[in-house]
Amino acid sequence: EDKVVQSPLSLVVHEGDTVTLNCSYEVTNFRSLLWYKQEKKAPTFLFMLTSSGIEKKSGRLSSILDKKELFSILNITATQTGDSAIYLCATYNTDKLIFGTGTRLQVFP
Amino acid sequence: DTEVTQTPKHLVMGMTNKKSLKCEQHMGHRAMYWYKQKAKKPPELMFVYSYEKLSINESVPSRFSPECPNSSLLNLHLHALQPEDSALYLCASSQESGLANTDTQYFGPGTRLTVL
Repeated sequence: EDKVVQSPLSLVVHEGDTVTLNCSYEVTNFRSLLWYKQEKKAPTFLFMLTSSGIEKKSGRLSSILDKKELFSILNITATQTGDSAIYLCATYNTDKLIFGTGTRLQVFP
Repeated sequence: DTEVTQTPKHLVMGMTNKKSLKCEQHMGHRAMYWYKQKAKKPPELMFVYSYEKLSINESVPSRFSPECPNSSLLNLHLHALQPEDSALYLCASSQESGLANTDTQYFGPGTRLTVL
């Protein structure tokens, strides 16, 4: 059965800390992995990763994919309270996005 | 512009009511999706439309009826719902769908549905 597993489930840090969120996957016909940030409502797109070893970067956020070991990490440096959210990892299997359960990140001042 | 809009934002309905959720995108995307999300859970796929045709129905009960009137619009008709159907209903769109798809799905803000 296809699955996406994220860890940790929950993370509490102080502003300025660096965090690493993990996503491992087992899907048939893997094609891409996506990271989303969900605050109160809609998941907002962060990154799509298709190639192993190539880091995607946007400001303080970066992500990398390892297709051999079947995982991805999302790094957030110098965290801010606005980074508090649920971070969702998802992979495509045929037509469908399969989501992990998410990591809830709380950043305190 | 990567905006997907959904109306209404909130909906409260009784178990005998009929209501509809609406979703719209103007990005020229040819694939549109309905997801259901319960509290503290990830989104669960319900339906996929590709080029205005239903391509995936994830064994959703018939009290949920999707409709794609044109390539920009997606509706979800609700009838005789149960209290356990209360959830956030998310619409998403992507450029394409299908076996070779790797496109990003862009989500709308969702409709928070409460069934009494």
